[in-house]
Amino acid sequence: GQNIDQPTEMTATEGAIVQINCTYQTSGFNGLFWYQQHAGEAPTFLSYNVLDGLEEKGRFSSFLSRSKGYSYLLLKELQMKDSASYLCAVRDSNYQLIWGAGTKLIIKP
Amino acid sequence: DAEITQSPRHKITETGRQVTLACHQTWNHNNMFWYRQDLGHGLRLIHYSYGVQDTNKGEVSDGYSVSRSNTEDLPLTLESAASSQTSVYFCASSETEETGELFFGEGSRLTVL
Repeated sequence: GQNIDQPTEMTATEGAIVQINCTYQTSGFNGLFWYQQHAGEAPTFLSYNVLDGLEEKGRFSSFLSRSKGYSYLLLKELQMKDSASYLCAVRDSNYQLIWGAGTKLIIKP
Repeated sequence: DAEITQSPRHKITETGRQVTLACHQTWNHNNMFWYRQDLGHGLRLIHYSYGVQDTNKGEVSDGYSVSRSNTEDLPLTLESAASSQTSVYFCASSETEETGELFFGEGSRLTVL
């Protein structure tokens, strides 16, 4: 079966750095996505990785290792507005997205 | 600005009733999707469409149907609502299959009593 694993919840301090991990086992691989979802709102696109390595976009970076079936989202200089759920999704061989259950990130002052 | 809107945002219905959730996008995207989101689960694909008159079943399509008569709209119908269909439903669209970046509507919270 297809499986995406990510921690259910993480807590971090304002101004700090946090890394949210995602491991996957899917039928094929055609890219990995990270989305942010604030409580009661729609998911919004953060990043996309299809090749191994690090993609940086401002305070957010996403890393991919296809051989290990592993990705992480790195958030730097945390702000209170970063409190949200972070969803990892893998596009499989049929170009369908398989979603993890999401990681709820709590930021404390 | 282009957008994707869902209606109603909240609905309470009774078991056995037919319910339709509307989704309208002005992005002019060919691809449209319906997902449901439940606690402890990732987003699960219900139905999707790659263009007018095209519809496909997703992972959890039983009890749901869609139709695509134009580019802008993909209504989701629950033929006979069940309590297990209590959920938050998200409609999404994307420009191309390859990009994968989805634009989501604000969600429709459905409660089936």
